Amino acid sequence: AQKVTQAQTEISVVEKEDVTLDCVYETRDTTYYLFWYKQPPSGELVFLIRRNSFDEQNEISGRYSWNFQKSTSSFNFTITASQVVDSAVYFCALNDYKLSFGAGTTVTVRA
Amino acid sequence: KAGVTQTPRYLIKTRGQQVTLSCSPISGHRSVSWYQQTPGQGLQFLFEYFSETQRNKGNFPGRFSGRQFSNSRSEMNVSTLELGDSALYLCASSLTTTGALQETQYFGPGTRLLVL
Repeated sequence: AQKVTQAQTEISVVEKEDVTLDCVYETRDTTYYLFWYKQPPSGELVFLIRRNSFDEQNEISGRYSWNFQKSTSSFNFTITASQVVDSAVYFCALNDYKLSFGAGTTVTVRA
Repeated sequence: KAGVTQTPRYLIKTRGQQVTLSCSPISGHRSVSWYQQTPGQGLQFLFEYFSETQRNKGNFPGRFSGRQFSNSRSEMNVSTLELGDSALYLCASSLTTTGALQETQYFGPGTRLLVL
């Protein structure tokens, strides 16, 4: 069975600090895709990034970066120089015909 | 391009009633999936429709049903509402079936259902 664990329930930082969100997953599949979504107070889930299982190259996109390590089944996500607008709940998800979501991490960025 | 739209945005019903929620996918997207979000259970998959056919179904009772029309718009119906059905119902669309693992699902703003 697919399982996604986000151990951090809440993270609070001051603006301009970096925030790293942890995600650990379980799957028996050799090919899979991992996602990060953001859910602001309005409720809509916003797609952030996608990573496939056969490409472990870590990337940076603007203030977002991610660290995918297949050996430890981890897919961590970092927001650099956080801003108040980054305050939201962040979800890690694994796709196996449906998205299996973690419980989410609430990020609060204080001015 | 317009995003996924859901109507209504808010709904209040009483136990025993039924409710129908609507979702219009992004233009060109043929797959629509529904998710339920509650504080206790988090985000849970309800079902996926692709080309007017239910492709996959989550672990929900038969009171939860859905359908998809030829224009890819989808509706979900919950009959005999229970207090525990109070939740945010999210619809997501993708170009093709989510069985294609690389497909990214794009979500709508959701419908908040309160059952009294």
